Amino acid sequence: GQQVMQIPQYQHVQEGEDFTTYCNSSTTLSNIQWYKQRPGGHPVFLIQLVKSGEVKKQKRLTFQFGEAKKNSSLHITATQTTDVGTYFCAGKGSNDYKLSFGAGTTVTVRA
Amino acid sequence: NAGVTQTPKFQVLKTGQSMTLQCAQDMNHEYMSWYRQDPGMGLRLIHYSVGAGITDQGEVPNGYNVSRSTTEDFPLRLLSAAPSQTSVYFCASSYSYAGNYGYTFGSGTRLTVV
Repeated sequence: GQQVMQIPQYQHVQEGEDFTTYCNSSTTLSNIQWYKQRPGGHPVFLIQLVKSGEVKKQKRLTFQFGEAKKNSSLHITATQTTDVGTYFCAGKGSNDYKLSFGAGTTVTVRA
Repeated sequence: NAGVTQTPKFQVLKTGQSMTLQCAQDMNHEYMSWYRQDPGMGLRLIHYSVGAGITDQGEVPNGYNVSRSTTEDFPLRLLSAAPSQTSVYFCASSYSYAGNYGYTFGSGTRLTVV
């Protein structure tokens, strides 16, 4: 079955620095979604990417979908304490109803 | 508009007991699903439904049953609780089963089996 791998599992960032988390699939995806889960909370939908090479921005967050539609990245600039949490990517295959979630990248921020 | 409502928020069960985790959504979403979240393993799909009367298994269905008699409700039943079922359970819904819309998650049920 489809697998979505996310790296790194943990990211410790100094406040103000940038970082990137990566998502890779074993198969071509029809779309990819990103979610954020604050500590003790539930996942919250951030964005969906559909087109090959697509780039979308949300303030300091930049999301990218690879040309082959097998990988994606989330880049956060000037990290703030409000960015703390776990970021999940989730991909859907062409012939699948279901999203497969990566294991997530847990971000901590040093003030 | 409450979104996705899960009850209870916390539950402790003894091994062998059964119980039902409730999930209700008021957004007229077609697709509903149950995930469990364990440390380092992300979200694993237990069961899902693409509409009333239709359910199917996900990655980790053993020990769980579901039904979808209405669009709004999607309860998850633990048949005979085991310590391995200690986890955080999330119900999620989406406008369409086609996977082209973001999921709305409930606030979760934290289950401990002793």
